[in-house]
Amino acid sequence: QKEVEQDPGPLSVPEGAIVSLNCTYSNSAFQYFMWYRQYSRKGPELLMYTYSSGNKEDGRFTAQVDKSSKYISLFIRDSQPSDSATYLCATSRSGGYQKVTFGTGTKLQVIP
Amino acid sequence: DTGVSQNPRHKITKRGQNVTFRCDPISEHNRLYWYRQTLGQGPEFLTYFQNEAQLEKSRLLSDRFSAERPKGSFSTLEIQRTEQGDSAMYLCASSPPVGTGGYEQYFGPGTRLTVT
Repeated sequence: QKEVEQDPGPLSVPEGAIVSLNCTYSNSAFQYFMWYRQYSRKGPELLMYTYSSGNKEDGRFTAQVDKSSKYISLFIRDSQPSDSATYLCATSRSGGYQKVTFGTGTKLQVIP
Repeated sequence: DTGVSQNPRHKITKRGQNVTFRCDPISEHNRLYWYRQTLGQGPEFLTYFQNEAQLEKSRLLSDRFSAERPKGSFSTLEIQRTEQGDSAMYLCASSPPVGTGGYEQYFGPGTRLTVT
């Protein structure tokens, strides 16, 4: 069993829709939770970062972590075609200073 | 803006050959990471350095793989006797020193290896 499980999709939504992306993880030692976005033929780039449980909002993006159920979510409001990418959830014990464990990634397509 | 750079961007090699990849991190970053990403999967951690010290190696890093960062700046990843299963994107990332306020790992564009 992988430490971080993520539905690979693909997920196709119309422009303007609310997108919900989810992951589960198994290791209770994980304290830091991240969402990366990866465009085709590019390296991942950090989108959101959360420490422990709770919500974090940044513009159209909201990240949620529920450590009691080991569940990580990313919500995208008013989705745009430019949001079309692969979204990777990721966790670590110590932020970005050591090993980061990634999910498989969910490929999202936002249709104009 | 000089982000993380990786060379070459693409490498095609025959099974059994050795290959070496180079990563140049962001200049003030003292930590450097190598990941491997296969099609349809997320990046998998291989190893990381703090300055020139290699602090952690994944079990994925078999004896055929070796990574170095001799002067704490650029790093090389060598794969000896390549196998078809080594075909993947090799990603390098760097992060700033602990306590400087930054925690993000900044990724390079990757080196795509194809073993024929």
